[in-house]
Amino acid sequence: DAGVIQSPRHEVTEMGQEVTLRCKPISGHNSLFWYRQTMMRGLELLIYFNNNVPIDDSGMPEDRFSAKMPNASFSTLKIQPSEPRDSAVYFCASSQETPQYFGPGTRLLVL
Amino acid sequence: GQQLNQSPQSMFIQEGEDVSMNCTSSSIFNTWLWYKQEPGEGPVLLIALYKAGELTSNGRLTAQFGITRKDSFLNISASIPSDVGIYFCAGLKTGGSQGNLIFGKGTKLSVKP
Repeated sequence: DAGVIQSPRHEVTEMGQEVTLRCKPISGHNSLFWYRQTMMRGLELLIYFNNNVPIDDSGMPEDRFSAKMPNASFSTLKIQPSEPRDSAVYFCASSQETPQYFGPGTRLLVL
Repeated sequence: GQQLNQSPQSMFIQEGEDVSMNCTSSSIFNTWLWYKQEPGEGPVLLIALYKAGELTSNGRLTAQFGITRKDSFLNISASIPSDVGIYFCAGLKTGGSQGNLIFGKGTKLSVKP
């Protein structure tokens, strides 16, 4: 079975540009999570959805970040405008109850 | 906020040695998860534990859900070079939603052939 799929795997952009990260959860999973991983802060939960509805977005850093889940098989995380401090690895994870299964991540570098 | 204390932070061992790492908390958890992350990849689930005292194995890996429900242990027997990576524990509090999965800061394992 396919695991969580994320795209792109790598993204290099310039400060001020819009960045869109994409995620396809495991089929049948009803929860989806967006995490950010940095050396300094480790894994941080940004937002999670249950049945396509955002449940907790308290981890979203600021208004520049937004996430959507228009259907059960697709989610996006958008950063607009991007800043160098947004450089990190962004993971999507999905679950049907516990545990969560992670995608391979998107490595974002904002110059 | 909630914290998991994961130790050791890093380990440098010889191939063939056994490895032990643990996570502790001041809070009670009803689920413990252990993940492994290799460079350039996402965390991969190794073992999930759901009951206090539970002991579960996955090949050379064995994990235990502490009887106090405040800790968990992961052991790797007869380590091999492909065991290299960062091992994360994660815990879910009783009554907590899935969004409240708390991660340790990881144990970085290096294995010398």
